[in-house]
Amino acid sequence: KAGVTQTPRYLIKTRGQQVTLSCSPISGHRSVSWYQQTPGQGLQFLFEYFSETQRNKGNFPGRFSGRQFSNSRSEMNVSTLELGDSALYLCASSRELVLETQYFGPGTRLLVL
Amino acid sequence: KNEVEQSPQNLTAQEGEFITINCSYSVGISALHWLQQHPGGGIVSLFMLSSGKKKHGRLIATINIQEKHSSLHITASHPRDSAVYICAAAMNYGGATNKLIFGTGTLLAVQP
Repeated sequence: KAGVTQTPRYLIKTRGQQVTLSCSPISGHRSVSWYQQTPGQGLQFLFEYFSETQRNKGNFPGRFSGRQFSNSRSEMNVSTLELGDSALYLCASSRELVLETQYFGPGTRLLVL
Repeated sequence: KNEVEQSPQNLTAQEGEFITINCSYSVGISALHWLQQHPGGGIVSLFMLSSGKKKHGRLIATINIQEKHSSLHITASHPRDSAVYICAAAMNYGGATNKLIFGTGTLLAVQP
């Protein structure tokens, strides 16, 4: 089975712009979770989608949003980028819930200038 | 205070040594994950457990629900075990499902 894929792998944006990141889960997995990793805050949960519905959300401002499509692929969007949004964004998929083994993608490294 | 605490933050060991990384959490959880992250970012899930003990090769993970504590042990450590090890607790905050709260990670360096 192909693993979790994320595109793009690297991205440079400027403050005020918006960005969309994509995640394709392992075939058959219906749950996709998104995480932000920074040197200062470590790994933090952004949100989780299952069958096109957001089931849980972390403590991030409304500038961070996401969606999931019928084929389980997911996108996350960050609007009005700030310097502090520079991070590694990881998605993970599982069959059902975060109570199952999470399979992580390689991440998208976002740099905001 | 973080809801999930890991110790130590940094660990240097000699090849062959027995290694223990600890994780404690402050509230009830549904499950606990142990993750491994190598330089460059890729994260691999090592274990997911809600009780007792699991073993995979040279890795052993244990959890004590009453004491809110989990440990990851590496037997006969090898330089290829050098990585960041992260514990993550699945907690329910009243949402539809649990969400993962991460520890700060333990940077392990195993020297030959």
